[in-house]
Amino acid sequence: GAGVSQTPSNKVTEKGKYVELRCDPISGHTALYWYRQSLGQGPEFLIYFQGTGAADDSGLPNDRFFAVRPEGSVSTLKIQRTERGDSAVYLCASSPPGTPFGGELFFGEGSRLTVL
Amino acid sequence: ELKVEQNPLFLSMQEGKNYTIYCNYSTTSDRLYWYRQDPGKSLESLFVLLSNGAVKQEGRLMASLDTKARLSTLHITAAVHDLSATYFCAVDGSQGGKLIFGQGTELSVKP
Repeated sequence: GAGVSQTPSNKVTEKGKYVELRCDPISGHTALYWYRQSLGQGPEFLIYFQGTGAADDSGLPNDRFFAVRPEGSVSTLKIQRTERGDSAVYLCASSPPGTPFGGELFFGEGSRLTVL
Repeated sequence: ELKVEQNPLFLSMQEGKNYTIYCNYSTTSDRLYWYRQDPGKSLESLFVLLSNGAVKQEGRLMASLDTKARLSTLHITAAVHDLSATYFCAVDGSQGGKLIFGQGTELSVKP
């Protein structure tokens, strides 16, 4: 694909439900990142994968949030027992090999999550 | 903890005028990025600054980095309406792609 693809683009759910957000990075990009952006704020780092393993998950707010990347390509961000405060746009980004440290990130369009 | 602060947060400009957006950060880093975001859209990479003294220009935008002062600037020359957007700076906080973003500067260019 031409760019980072995220699905769904919009998700409305009820408090307490489980949601999954999917990210398909640019082909050949080894690093994948999840960010969360609240209205009027800058993106907030959640987790970063280099290949299949989470290289840095220090931004995950609590144990309700989990992300996987089992084959080193597509990633899924999983949120359990959603709360209204989880409402935000979840952005995925990827970067090419050769720039694992501080390389330029290419962002997807985001998944807008609304928890009622 | 790395903090990134931008100012101003809101900027209303007239077409044809010049202005500068400032990005200050709190700990040592020599990698700084500028992104543009249009309403409801994702982030578009504008500039990647990877060393002290780096200067990059694209059209009416010019970005610079002073790592000693922990300061980057985004200078807008002869603004046009198409530049209206929110601009973010981001600093590499861990040499692992963990970018820390500023709050963003919402730019509005009026005729």
